[in-house]
Amino acid sequence: NAGVTQTPKFQVLKTGQSMTLQCAQDMNHNSMYWYRQDPGMGLRLIYYSASEGTTDKGEVPNGYNVSRLNKREFSLRLESAAPSQTSVYFCASSHRTGRSYNEQFFGPGTRLTVL
Amino acid sequence: RKEVEQDPGPFNVPEGATVAFNCTYSNSASQSFFWYRQDCRKEPKLLMSVYSSGNEDGRFTAQLNRASQYISLLIRDSKLSDSATYLCVVNGAGTALIFGKGTTLSVSS
Repeated sequence: NAGVTQTPKFQVLKTGQSMTLQCAQDMNHNSMYWYRQDPGMGLRLIYYSASEGTTDKGEVPNGYNVSRLNKREFSLRLESAAPSQTSVYFCASSHRTGRSYNEQFFGPGTRLTVL
Repeated sequence: RKEVEQDPGPFNVPEGATVAFNCTYSNSASQSFFWYRQDCRKEPKLLMSVYSSGNEDGRFTAQLNRASQYISLLIRDSKLSDSATYLCVVNGAGTALIFGKGTTLSVSS
């Protein structure tokens, strides 16, 4: 049981390049999330997927797209990377029931630098 | 008013000390409250959920005051291994969880 896995762990891009961050969970959770964490800013939600087949914007969606490929996988794509997207990206998953927000389990993060 | 506010610290305490962190939230409709712990360059992990009646887990006690929209975390008998950043987390309006920026604790021998 690996929990939440993310690839890659580290990535350096040049401005304008594109890439996809991969996330997978093996806990049969229905909800998945992408966050970015910057010094002094805390964790900010980029996009989330409440259930398979749905995605919604979070606090900072501009410059990103997501795909909920199936129940296990939720990818984050940067179409044209900018230096402002240099950050640590965390994927998380949870099993939301009704109005309750259950514990979110996080992956180890992807450290992205855009030059 | 920011959605979730915490004193960033750092809190520097000796081993064995008792330390308390506070957090305020802006959405009076919030129903779920948590404290997460994040070690340097690692992912956040759930420390404990916060229940209306208050709850305790070993040396950790969490309290919720809905009227004041205030959450606290008390750590007794601090250990070196408690050094970390503690994140206050609240569910937002119709979205996922809202994370505070965190309070940094450093416990020294």
